Amino acid sequence: AQKVTQTQTSISVMEKTTVTMDCVYETRDSSYFLFWYKQTASGEIVFLIRQDSYKKENATEGHYSLNFQKPKSSIGLIITATQIEDSAVYFCAMREFNNNAPRFGAGTKLSVKP
Amino acid sequence: DAGVTQTPRHEVAEKGQTIILKCEPVSGHNDLFWYRQTKIQGLELLSYFRSKSLMEDGGAFKDRFKAEMLNSSFSTLKIQPTEPKDSAVYLCASSLAMGASQNTLYFGAGTRLSVL
Repeated sequence: AQKVTQTQTSISVMEKTTVTMDCVYETRDSSYFLFWYKQTASGEIVFLIRQDSYKKENATEGHYSLNFQKPKSSIGLIITATQIEDSAVYFCAMREFNNNAPRFGAGTKLSVKP
Repeated sequence: DAGVTQTPRHEVAEKGQTIILKCEPVSGHNDLFWYRQTKIQGLELLSYFRSKSLMEDGGAFKDRFKAEMLNSSFSTLKIQPTEPKDSAVYLCASSLAMGASQNTLYFGAGTRLSVL
C-alpha cells in the first residue's frame, strides 16, 4: 500500500532564507508521480511542483525545487529566497501509476517571518 | 477555463440528517476525487472516479458516504445519516487521466460541514 510521511509538523524561518521540507514515501510500483501542494490560510490548495519517478533530474519551478533521492524514497521541497507569502501548509503527495488515487502526507506548516 | 466548483461552501446539519455536497470538475478532466480534510487525520480519500466509473472507495467511509458521478461534469457526495464526527472540510479535485503528463490534481475551494 502507498504511504506518504511528512515528519516536520511546523517550520519557522526568516524571510529571504532557504528552507527544506522533508517527505518520504512507500510504494511497490516502479513508476509513480510525486507532487507538492500548498494550502493557504484561505484553504485554497494549489499545485506547486512535481517529479516523475523515471526522471533523474530534479524538478525546478521558480523558487521551488525538489531533492529527489529515489533509493531513499525521499522527495524534499526546497524554497529559496522565502517570502512572507510563502507562509502556508505544504503537502507532499504520491500517485502510483496503477490507477490509484493520490495519497497525501500530513503537511508541514511553514511560517516565514520578516 | 473554470476550475473545480464546489457547492455549498458551508453546510450546517443536525445529527441524523442527510446532506448532499456537489462538485463540478474542470472541463475535460477524466478523473474526479473526493477527499475529507481534518486537522487530526489530514487529507483522506473518500472516492475516486475515472470517466464516471468508481475506481477506488475509501474503505473507512463506505457505510454512510456515497459518491456518484451523474455525468462527466457533475458529482455528488451524500452523507447519510450525518454524525458530529463528520464535521470537516470536504474537498473535490479533478485531473486528466493517469499517464498524462498533466495528471496533477486541481482542487475546489471545499465545503465546510458542521454537524451539530
